[in-house]
Amino acid sequence: EPEVTQTPSHQVTQMGQEVILRCVPISNHLYFYWYRQILGQKVEFLVSFYNNEISEKSEIFDDQFSVERPDGSNFTLKIRSTKLEDSAMYFCASSEATTDLRETQYFGPGTRLLVL
Amino acid sequence: AQKITQTQPGMFVQEKEAVTLDCTYDTSDPSYGLFWYKQPSSGEMIFLIYQGSYDQQNATEGRYSLNFQKARKSANLVISASQLGDSAMYFCAMRKNSGYSTLTFGKGTMLLVSP
Repeated sequence: EPEVTQTPSHQVTQMGQEVILRCVPISNHLYFYWYRQILGQKVEFLVSFYNNEISEKSEIFDDQFSVERPDGSNFTLKIRSTKLEDSAMYFCASSEATTDLRETQYFGPGTRLLVL
Repeated sequence: AQKITQTQPGMFVQEKEAVTLDCTYDTSDPSYGLFWYKQPSSGEMIFLIYQGSYDQQNATEGRYSLNFQKARKSANLVISASQLGDSAMYFCAMRKNSGYSTLTFGKGTMLLVSP
């Protein structure tokens, strides 16, 4: 069964460093998303991406964040200058379309980011 | 704005028994979808079941069923014949049909299944 994959599974970085989190969505999916989950808290939406541009972003997704689809398979989230509060599990998700309410977003296994 | 409320931080159930995990929601949109995801200790998010606001029947997927009460704005997940592998965090989520695709999640309920 096709699945969303994410690398790395864990990342430790120093405050102020740049990190790039990578995702390979399910191959026939058109919509891509990033969510994050701070330890012990609920999952929060960051950004959605369609047709090579951001379709929606939350207030969390400030200028420190960017997303890119550098090729036909990868979808990346970059954090330019990490802060301690960026420590969280970051989930990538993908779906075929968003016009159907029934359309399910399938999540990857997550990248656990720790900023020291 | 949408809001999902899961009032049970933790639930305990014995193996083979049924358990209900509560979820209430608040939205002014007439059209929306409700989802349940399971998050085991390994961290991944696993889709379990979906209920549409206009669906006439409650959704079922194997041992999972959804007790959807639209007037009360509740979408409780029922797990029948609990198994040890059901021990996990369970999240209720909602998306609305107004051009946006994002999911709004509740805080989750931790389910522990004992032998």
